[in-house]
Amino acid sequence: ETGVTQSPTHLIKTRGQQVTLRCSSQSGHNTVSWYQQALGQGPQFIFQYYREEENGRGNFPPRFSGLQFPNYSSELNVNALELDDSALYLCASSPEPTGHQETQYFGPGTRLLVL
Amino acid sequence: GEDVEQSLFLSVREGDSSVINCTYTDSSSTYLYWYKQEPGAGLQLLTYIFSNMDMKQDQRLTVLLNKKDKHLSLRIADTQTGDSAIYFCAERNSGNTPLVFGKGTRLSVIA
Repeated sequence: ETGVTQSPTHLIKTRGQQVTLRCSSQSGHNTVSWYQQALGQGPQFIFQYYREEENGRGNFPPRFSGLQFPNYSSELNVNALELDDSALYLCASSPEPTGHQETQYFGPGTRLLVL
Repeated sequence: GEDVEQSLFLSVREGDSSVINCTYTDSSSTYLYWYKQEPGAGLQLLTYIFSNMDMKQDQRLTVLLNKKDKHLSLRIADTQTGDSAIYFCAERNSGNTPLVFGKGTRLSVIA
């Protein structure tokens, strides 16, 4: 089991609403990456935060935004929710952004259902 | 763009070997990974291989890389029911690039 925690574990929202998902990184890790895993698909990179700044972004619209705090925990915010946003959202922490992926630890994920 | 392909399902008998295959398109892939995902859980890194290697063994796991054909495989020896899960192949370039995952192979182990 990794030291990465995510909350909440499950969430149900309706179309048009906004949601905030939270991730606490492993102790000593300053980099957090967020991934979206739709049902039956592999995870897709949303963005990465390093030392409180966005440090790379995947092919996701601006209504997906994030924050990283001084303690390196992170939030993923999604505005104007759409049905296709229903997915498992995974965060992963690592000591450095360019580090070998062996040291990137994934949390258990937040399962979001949009009705 | 980069693409990673895997077969979707594999079924094996307990005690047999499992071989999960993956192909990728990015010739500049430097790191290649295998992750395991059990129901309701996040991703667990199983093993990895650098692109300058062609084989890596770690207990029951053997990874083979054919860089010319951009083909990666994961062999699980003496497969157990606890190995039932979804296995993801992933790749990344060197530097600050994110992981690119395949869609996963669902391994079912029959007792």
